[in-house]
Amino acid sequence: DTGVSQNPRHKITKRGQNVTFRCDPISEHNRLYWYRQTLGQGPEFLTYFQNEAQLEKSRLLSDRFSAERPKGSFSTLEIQRTEQGDSAMYLCASSIGAGAEAFFGQGTRLTVV
Amino acid sequence: DQQVKQNSPSLSVQEGRISILNCDYTNSMFDYFLWYKKYPAEGPTFLISISSIKDKNEDGRFTVFLNKSAKHLSLHIVPSQPGDSAVYFCAAVARGSTLGRLYFGRGTQLTVWP
Repeated sequence: DTGVSQNPRHKITKRGQNVTFRCDPISEHNRLYWYRQTLGQGPEFLTYFQNEAQLEKSRLLSDRFSAERPKGSFSTLEIQRTEQGDSAMYLCASSIGAGAEAFFGQGTRLTVV
Repeated sequence: DQQVKQNSPSLSVQEGRISILNCDYTNSMFDYFLWYKKYPAEGPTFLISISSIKDKNEDGRFTVFLNKSAKHLSLHIVPSQPGDSAVYFCAAVARGSTLGRLYFGRGTQLTVWP
């Protein structure tokens, strides 16, 4: 399968714990995006990388959130000291360049209890 | 602020008829538009796109129309099939920008009944 892969698919964590999600993009895609989706909303932009450089961060991305893409390959999104409001579907997407069609992974569903 | 708007949260259509999903945008810098389809518990799947230099793009049963002066686009599905039942998201991007992120609407739940 050569699509975007996200792990884990589901994560339940207690409030205050740290969580980390992984995204493996399509191999030839140099752009990687993280989005968050809550019920009844469209995907909301969090951050994106071109190769290993993080080029933009949304104001939604508080100091508790950090994303990395070492060597321009896979990416990780870490949330520290999780809060109930962090419960959402976290989506990763990749594209071959600016404005090209972005292909999404299946998402990681985070539930903070 | 919502730069891409889908004002109909739901649409119900009989199998075989046309489904028309609408989308409006406010940012005149947007020059590329995409439609994504999403099933529950899955990520969005790319469906069809259109550049601002065109006013129509077709792919099989799916056609997207763009009216730049009205800042409006629509997705037509003909004929509609029960398997088309999903949430449809409209998205826009300013490709001339160095940023290139997608802005999404809130989605329209399409239900196609037999």
